[in-house]
Amino acid sequence: QKEVEQNSGPLSVPEGAIASLNCTYSDRGSQSFFWYRQYSGKSPELIMSIYSNGDKEDGRFTAQLNKASQYVSLLIRDSQPSDSATYLCAVLDTGNQFYFGTGTSLTVIP
Amino acid sequence: DVKVTQSSRYLVKRTGEKVFLECVQDMDHENMFWYRQDPGLGLRLIYFSYDVKMKEKGDIPEGYSVSREKKERFSLILESASTNQTSMYLCASSLLAGYSYEQYFGPGTRLTVT
Repeated sequence: QKEVEQNSGPLSVPEGAIASLNCTYSDRGSQSFFWYRQYSGKSPELIMSIYSNGDKEDGRFTAQLNKASQYVSLLIRDSQPSDSATYLCAVLDTGNQFYFGTGTSLTVIP
Repeated sequence: DVKVTQSSRYLVKRTGEKVFLECVQDMDHENMFWYRQDPGLGLRLIYFSYDVKMKEKGDIPEGYSVSREKKERFSLILESASTNQTSMYLCASSLLAGYSYEQYFGPGTRLTVT
């Protein structure tokens, strides 16, 4: 069974701080990785995708990928209360199937 | 922008009823997916389709069937609804292009079976 593991949290950070969200995956051959944000009662919204080792930045968001360690993370700089949500990590495995983690709940405290 | 729509936001059905959930996407995506999401269990794949009239079972297909007669439309069918099928149902679509399989989700249907 392919697995994507996330710390369920809840993770609380003060406004303006950096929030760090982590994800590990079991299929070493996976090539595509995604971060989704899901507000309570809403559907997941794609915020970042990353395919190569290293960092990828988009505004206040940075995704980091380390395929050797089978680890992907999401950093949110200058966290805002509007960032309070559940963040889902998703991995596309070697069989072209998506696997989602169960999500990390983030609360940004004003 | 990609737009994925689902036929209902909220649905209440009785045990034993046949239930149809419709999903439509307007971006000419080849792949379409049906998930259910339950607290503590995350997103679980029910079925997916990579082409018209094609379907593949996901992790939890039991009690469900699907239909894809047109590229833009993917239907999920609960043959005989049961209370353990009360859940949030999410449809998604993606391109079939290299490995940039970014999935885009519809707003979801919260189904309650009584």
